[in-house]
This record gives sequence, structure tokens and C-alpha cells, in this order.
Amino acid sequence: QSALTQPASVSGSPGQSITISCTGTTSDIGAYNYVSWYQQHPGKAPKLIIYDVNNRPSGVSYRFSGSKSGNTASLTISGLQSEDEADYFCCSYTKSNSYVVFGGGTKLTVL
Amino acid sequence: EVQLVESGGDLVQPGGSLRLSCAASGFTFRTSEMNWVRQAPGKGLEWISYINSGGDITYYADSVQGRFTISRDNAKNSLYLQLSSLRAEDTALYYCARETVTGFDHWGQGTLVTVSS
Repeated sequence: QSALTQPASVSGSPGQSITISCTGTTSDIGAYNYVSWYQQHPGKAPKLIIYDVNNRPSGVSYRFSGSKSGNTASLTISGLQSEDEADYFCCSYTKSNSYVVFGGGTKLTVL
Repeated sequence: EVQLVESGGDLVQPGGSLRLSCAASGFTFRTSEMNWVRQAPGKGLEWISYINSGGDITYYADSVQGRFTISRDNAKNSLYLQLSSLRAEDTALYYCARETVTGFDHWGQGTLVTVSS
């Protein structure tokens, strides 16, 4: 069981927007503004797409955005494109025994 | 260009040991914090270990504490993970990842560890 809770799957049509939630606790997401999101295509390494809740690394599309409210972080992808079909993982630092924790991942299907 | 290349993965029997390596290039390794993250087949990401730039501060996930040891050789631009007392549930693709203030900003392609008799 992952420390952060994500929906197993989401779907959307090209051009639409989707949001993926990531729920933690007061010991992780609620404690820090250090939520990051990773995109992983099949057979590939994860790629950082959002850091510090709502910042995009250089080269990442403006269509990706992040937010946080309380113990829940969210990733929004606007203007869905076929190449967005991938797995998405959230991540947060934690006060618990661990150092960082990941969500279980969400599979995005572009219909 | 930042590159991280893992090696050392293999098929090993339960209870066995293995040493993974991660060769770094394209950045100043000696000042970088590094991590190992694994992914079981068809499953999500699991952080397992961290090491600071000097190698004197390390953290481990509960699932590997006491069995795995992270280390680095800054002169060789290399990161290591010594795996011992391996279990079937340690079967996974093991990634090394560079950590910066922005998160895990670069990942290798992973090396596969299979624990089976």
C-alpha cells in the first residue's frame, strides 16, 4: 500500500482537461510545499514534470500544472494530447520513517 | 548532458546478494544528492535510499533497512547499492536518480533485479 493515494486510472478525450488527485497526510503533503509529479511512458524512466507543488522544469509543456490544498495535491493536464497517455506519480517529502513517499500511480488514457 | 547508467542487475536466489552501480556523467557528481528508487513489475515507484553529496548521511525505506547499503565514490562518479538477504519481493527495476531542489530531476534507465529460485 502506497503512502500517497491516487486514483488508479483517469481518462479524457483530446483537447479536454483532466485532474489527478494525490492524497496524503499532515506528515507529508500537508507538511511541505515539496510535492512533485512524474510522468512515465511504458518502458521508459520517469520524467519530472512538476516540482514544489506548481512549478514546471524547463521544457515541460505549460499544459501541465499543479496545486495543493491541505493534504491533497493535484495535477491538471489541459488540452489533452495523445502523447500525454502515460502513468503519473506524485511524490512528497515526509516526516515519517521514510524520506520521500510516492503515490501508487495513475494511468491516464486519452480516448 | 546529464547521464545516469545503472548496471549490476541479475537473477539471484532468495537470501543472496548483489551490488548495483550507477555511473554518472554530464554534471558535478560530487556535489549532488542521489537516490535509489525501484519499481516492481507492473507496479508503482518505491523510494528506497538516499545519500548526501559527501556520503556521510544516508536514509533507507523500512522495507530495505538493515539489508541494503547505499554508498558512493565521488572520485569515480559512481553510486552503489549493496543488496543482501534478498527476497522475492525485492524483484524490481532499480533506478538511480539525481536529487536537486526541484526533485528527482534525472533518472537512469534502470537495472533489473530478479529474486527467484
